[in-house]
Amino acid sequence: EVQLLESGGGLVQPGGSLRLSCAASGFTFSIYTMNWVRQAPGKGLEWVSVISDSGVTTFHSDSVKGRFTIFRDNSKNTLYLQMNSLRAEDTAVYYCAKDDRGGFTPTAVTDYWGQGTLVTVSS
Amino acid sequence: DIQMTQSPSSVSASVRDRITITCRASQGIGSWLAWYQQKPGKAPKLLIYAASSLQSGVPSRFSGSGSGTDFTLTISSLQPEDFATYFCQQANSFPRTFGGGTKVEIK
Repeated sequence: EVQLLESGGGLVQPGGSLRLSCAASGFTFSIYTMNWVRQAPGKGLEWVSVISDSGVTTFHSDSVKGRFTIFRDNSKNTLYLQMNSLRAEDTAVYYCAKDDRGGFTPTAVTDYWGQGTLVTVSS
Repeated sequence: DIQMTQSPSSVSASVRDRITITCRASQGIGSWLAWYQQKPGKAPKLLIYAASSLQSGVPSRFSGSGSGTDFTLTISSLQPEDFATYFCQQANSFPRTFGGGTKVEIK
C-alpha cells in the first residue's frame, strides 16, 4: 500500500524558514517523480514543485521560485521542501504527491497524495 | 501558465441525481486532464485521468469526457459518499494548474 507521510509543518514568523519532509513507503520511491501541492485554508489546490525520479530535474511555480527548493533522498525514501523567506500567503496545508511514472513529464498522472502538513506563517 | 476555469463553483443536488461539472482550459491541452475528489480534511483522490480514463477502484458512475479546451465530469447517479469538492487539473505543461473547484452539496 502506497503511503506518504508529511511532517515538519508548524507556526513560523514571516521571513522565517521551514523544511517539510515526506516519508514514502509501499512503492519503489526512487523511480517515481514527486510533487508538492498546497491548499490555503478554505481555498483551492495550488501545485508548487516537482522533482524527477533521480532528483536532477526540478520545477517550481512562480509563486515560490527562488524561495522554495524541492529535493529528495532516495536512500531514505524521503522527499523534502525547503521553504525560505516565508510569507503570510504561504500559509497552507502542504501535500506530498506521487506521479505514476518517473522521468520528468507534465503528462504523468498524480495518483497518490499524503494527508498533508499545515504551515502557518504569522507573527 | 494555463488557466483552468471550473463551473459551477457549487451545485446542490439530491441522491440519485445526475450532475455535470465543466472545466475549460485557457489553451488546448489535448486530453491531458485529471479530475480529483476531495472531502473535508482529507487529501484529494484521483478519479479520472487522460480526460476519460477511470482510475482503478473508482465507481463507474463517474465519467469524464472532452479534449482540447473543454472537459466534463459526470456523476450519473449521486450517492451519499459523493458529496465533496471536485477539482480538475491540466497535465499538459508545467506548472500543472488546477481549476477553482466545484462543491457538490446536498439539496
